[in-house]
Amino acid sequence: DGGITQSPKYLFRKEGQNVTLSCEQNLNHDAMYWYRQDPGQGLRLIYYSQIVNDFQKGDIAEGYSVSREKKESFPLTVTSAQKNPTAFYLCASSIQGDQIYEQYFGPGTRLTVT
Amino acid sequence: GQNIDQPTEMTATEGAIVQINCTYQTSGFNGLFWYQQHAGEAPTFLSYNVLDGLEEKGRFSSFLSRSKGYSYLLLKELQMKDSASYLCAVTDSNYQLIWGAGTKLIIKP
Repeated sequence: DGGITQSPKYLFRKEGQNVTLSCEQNLNHDAMYWYRQDPGQGLRLIYYSQIVNDFQKGDIAEGYSVSREKKESFPLTVTSAQKNPTAFYLCASSIQGDQIYEQYFGPGTRLTVT
Repeated sequence: GQNIDQPTEMTATEGAIVQINCTYQTSGFNGLFWYQQHAGEAPTFLSYNVLDGLEEKGRFSSFLSRSKGYSYLLLKELQMKDSASYLCAVTDSNYQLIWGAGTKLIIKP
């Protein structure tokens, strides 16, 4: 079965610690995305990648970093510089990023930082 | 600026029909998506409209008017499992998705 996996589903960290959220897809999609979802707000784009070894900042990239060393994987690191890291993080992929295709989402990781 | 508006919450009765509206103002337009999201889960694709008119897909239909910057999602024969949030998203001129905050639909027996 093809799909997107994110792990873990729930993650707890102390303030000041960096944390990496995993995202893996076996859909053979070129494009991958990271979104943040907060109550009462639309999904906000953190980073996206249209091809391996290349990625672009989204609307709220400050305090986050990504890598795209393999087509299947697009991990997101939430650094200590992110002021309000507690949120629901969603990873998505699409066939290509420069044309219009639906995005497929992973199950999400709920990060709580205290 | 870019803006997408949807009602925050709606309530409907099982078996009835409900219409969820979405209005948008974006820099360019390359289509509009509707997604369904159950609480704590991933959004799943429902529909895509790029031309004016109504697209029907089973119990769900989606309508688009580009001149009015307006879309709606119509859900018929409501079932309890339709209780979810419905997200409207517009593809702008850079092929980026701009998301609305979502409409939480509550279905009552």
